[in-house]
Amino acid sequence: DIQMTQSPSSLSASVGDRVTITCRASQGISNYLAWFQQKPGKAPKSLIYAASSLQSGVPSKFSGSGSGTDFTLTISSLQPEDFATYYCQQYNSYPITFGPGTKVDIK
Amino acid sequence: EVQLVESGGGLVQPGGSLRLSCAASGFTLSSYWMSWVRQAPGKGLEWVANINQDGSEKYYVDSVKGRFTISRDNAENSLYLQMNSLRAEDTAVYYCARHIAFDYWGQGTLVTVSS
Repeated sequence: DIQMTQSPSSLSASVGDRVTITCRASQGISNYLAWFQQKPGKAPKSLIYAASSLQSGVPSKFSGSGSGTDFTLTISSLQPEDFATYYCQQYNSYPITFGPGTKVDIK
Repeated sequence: EVQLVESGGGLVQPGGSLRLSCAASGFTLSSYWMSWVRQAPGKGLEWVANINQDGSEKYYVDSVKGRFTISRDNAENSLYLQMNSLRAEDTAVYYCARHIAFDYWGQGTLVTVSS
């Protein structure tokens, strides 16, 4: 199985900050990497697929990059609605696996 | 508008069974792979199973193989998860999600396995 790790596991940031979350796969997954945002008590929301493609309707302050084993999610200017937990996911091979999540909260 | 609505969750004893349903609307179900994903209380996301458009291909995470069965009825616009031999560690909110790249999710249904 491909193991996904994320760093940091949590971070505190202020409104307007630029935030970067890192995701690493235990083996190469090409660009079969997605990012999700989840708020408490809600279903996950798709942000990015194919490592860098923005889902329809997702604001351009979110961006993704990377290929192979190392990936990043960047939020260019953090807003109050962005405080949430973020998960990466690989869909290169079965079983599909998620990272453990990165919780972004208010400093 | 794409909508996925799960149902069928509840409290079940260890060793029991449940059948989850996911009602799809706003798109043609028969055109998409579909998945079930679960989230134990306070934990992260775990992919459980998926199924291709006509139901001929199915994949499962090891922890549910032989106990859970994913299926679909495209005519009824529905996805299902039959869960047998349930264990305490299967307690979670279960979501259905649409491929490609899980672009739409339902609101989830809670399954609690406890005596």
